Amino acid sequence: DAGVTQSPTHLIKTRGQQVTLRCSPKSGHDTVSWYQQALGQGPQFIFQYYEEEERQRGNFPDRFSGHQFPNYSSELNVNALLLGDSALYLCASSSTTGAAYEQYFGPGTRLTVT
Amino acid sequence: GQNIDQPTEMTATEGAIVQINCTYQTSGFNGLFWYQQHAGEAPTFLSYNVLDGLEEKGRFSSFLSRSKGYSYLLLKELQMKDSASYLCAHDNYGQNFVFGPGTRLSVLP
Repeated sequence: DAGVTQSPTHLIKTRGQQVTLRCSPKSGHDTVSWYQQALGQGPQFIFQYYEEEERQRGNFPDRFSGHQFPNYSSELNVNALLLGDSALYLCASSSTTGAAYEQYFGPGTRLTVT
Repeated sequence: GQNIDQPTEMTATEGAIVQINCTYQTSGFNGLFWYQQHAGEAPTFLSYNVLDGLEEKGRFSSFLSRSKGYSYLLLKELQMKDSASYLCAHDNYGQNFVFGPGTRLSVLP
């Protein structure tokens, strides 16, 4: 059983560009959350998707948007990239019928904006 | 508002015991979590406390006091592989976590 997978592993973009990150949740999970983790910091919640809709959102600008597909996979899009967007982007999946602590993280996508 | 605080760095010796503290403020509470994160890797679940008291799981134990907004992670018989960042997080709006800044633990021989 594959756990949470993310692609790509690493990405280098230029300021002003747009980027799309992808996440496939653990089998049986229907909820996907995205986090941004700057170097040396804890993860910061971006948003959460359930039933193809954004259910909760953290304190991130509208440049950050997402999508969830019928197979529960998800994408994170960031427009007009800034240097400060350089971070590790983590995807976590969980089940609405599971225990709260059953949130599994993917390996992350390391985004570098130059 | 919501706030979580934990020490930035700690150092301990192999075989010793170390306690990592976490204090939090939140308008709602649905559990306190500890995650371990090795450099460049995803966080992995260590423990979950929703009631006051101590939860023991092998070499790792976690304590919670909801009235004080305080938790700690206790690591016994430290091993070199325990060198990692330890993240404290609380869950107050369902399955969305608010993480602290993380404590980077270095275990020395």
